[in-house]
Amino acid sequence: QSVLTQPPSASGTPGQRVTISCSGSSSNIGSNTVNWYQQLPGTAPKLLIYSNNKRPSGVPDRFSGSKSGTSASLAISGLQSEDEAHYYCAAWDDSLKGVLFGGGTKLTVL
Amino acid sequence: QVQLVESGGGVVQPGRSLRLSCAASGFTFSRHAIHWVRQAPGKGLEWVAVMSYDGGNIYYADSVKGRFTISRDNPKNTLYLQLNSLRGEDSAVYYCARDCLQVAVTARFDYWGQGTLVTVSS
Repeated sequence: QSVLTQPPSASGTPGQRVTISCSGSSSNIGSNTVNWYQQLPGTAPKLLIYSNNKRPSGVPDRFSGSKSGTSASLAISGLQSEDEAHYYCAAWDDSLKGVLFGGGTKLTVL
Repeated sequence: QVQLVESGGGVVQPGRSLRLSCAASGFTFSRHAIHWVRQAPGKGLEWVAVMSYDGGNIYYADSVKGRFTISRDNPKNTLYLQLNSLRGEDSAVYYCARDCLQVAVTARFDYWGQGTLVTVSS
C-alpha cells in the first residue's frame, strides 16, 4: 500500500513557525479531505486537524492546515517544546478503497 | 466518556492465529465505523482495516487482505480482528480507532484505544 509523502523530519526553535508537507495524488488528497494526527512519545495518535483545516475542540489555534490540489500542509506557529512529536497526514484513497497515512514527520524543537 | 480498549495481543509463532478485540463504551457504537491501525516498533502508522457501522462495508489494506478478518458485534459494543497466517512483519501495536462521522467511513479518527502489542516470533 503506497503512502502519502511527508518529510521524515522537521525542526525549529521555540516561537518559530514550521510547516510540514504531505503530498499525494488525485485518488486521495486530490479528491478527499486531509486529516492530521499528532503522536507524542509512547502514546496513541491524536486528531489534530480534520477536513483539511479544522481544529477539534481543545487544539490550540497555533495549529493550522491547508490543502491545494494533491498536497496539504500543517503549520505550527509559536513553536513550543511540547509540540515535539511525530505528525502524520491521512486521507481516504478512492482507488485503493482504504486509508492512507503519510510516513510521518518527527518534529524536533531545538 | 468515549473509550476504546483493545485486548488479545501477545507473542505468537509465524503462521499461527490471534484474535484482537476492541471494547467500546461511552457512545452509540452501532452508528460509527471502527478502524484498525497498526504501528510496527519505531515505524509509522499503517491502516489495516475498517468495518462500517452496520457491517455493510468492509475494507482491508493490501498487506493483510486474505489473512485478516474484521468483524463486529454491535449488541456487545465490540470490534474484532482475526489475524491468520501471521508473519514477522505483522508485529506491531494494533490500535482501534473510531471514525468521527456517524454512518460514514472516512480517514478522520477522533478516538483511539491505547493499543495492544502483537509480536510474531518463533
